Amino acid sequence: EVQLLESGEGFVRPGGSLRLSCAASGFTFRSYAMSWVRQSPGRGLEWVSTISGPGEDTYYADSVMGRFTISRDNARNALYLQMNSLRVEDTAVYFCTKGSGSGWPFEFWGQGSLVTVSS
Amino acid sequence: DIQMTQSPSSLSASVGDRVTITCRASETISSHVNWYQQTPGRAPKLLIYVASRLQSGVPSRFSGSGSGTDFTLTISNLQPEDFATYYCQQGFSSPVTFGGGTKLEIK
Repeated sequence: EVQLLESGEGFVRPGGSLRLSCAASGFTFRSYAMSWVRQSPGRGLEWVSTISGPGEDTYYADSVMGRFTISRDNARNALYLQMNSLRVEDTAVYFCTKGSGSGWPFEFWGQGSLVTVSS
Repeated sequence: DIQMTQSPSSLSASVGDRVTITCRASETISSHVNWYQQTPGRAPKLLIYVASRLQSGVPSRFSGSGSGTDFTLTISNLQPEDFATYYCQQGFSSPVTFGGGTKLEIK
């Protein structure tokens, strides 16, 4: 059974940083691209970032480019999202997903981690 | 970016009904559309991929069709667990984008 278990949610002031983690199990982690997708009442569902299976290729939405960094540790079956220079508009539930959405769907989703950015 | 427009934004129906949700892309995207179901407080769940392929474990009362710019998700014989919000998503070009959602409510 595929499981994606996220951690790292929290509250942060504008300009602050936060790191989300996602522990994956139930599939051959290194073989699949992984992504982060966020959801907020104002922006709906929004793709944030994708990383290839080996971790060599990364992709970002324009809204987070230069501020967020996606990474993975295939030895630990773990996915990460380092979020710096956070803005109020980054407030959302962040989902870890198996797949890239492009060419292959977001096949499985984690339970979501709430990130709140507020002064 | 490709815009995905869903209609209606909300829909009321009864158990046993057949409903259709439409998604229109701002430009042609072949068959690169996926559909997700989300219930309150839960993560989205993949239902249909590449416009018409049923994800493993999803009941056959769910079906998808379309190509180019116009796509539909049809749910036959609505069950109580089907009352949820449904989203389309295009995977044709980057950035992948989602529709605004269709909330299916019990009449």
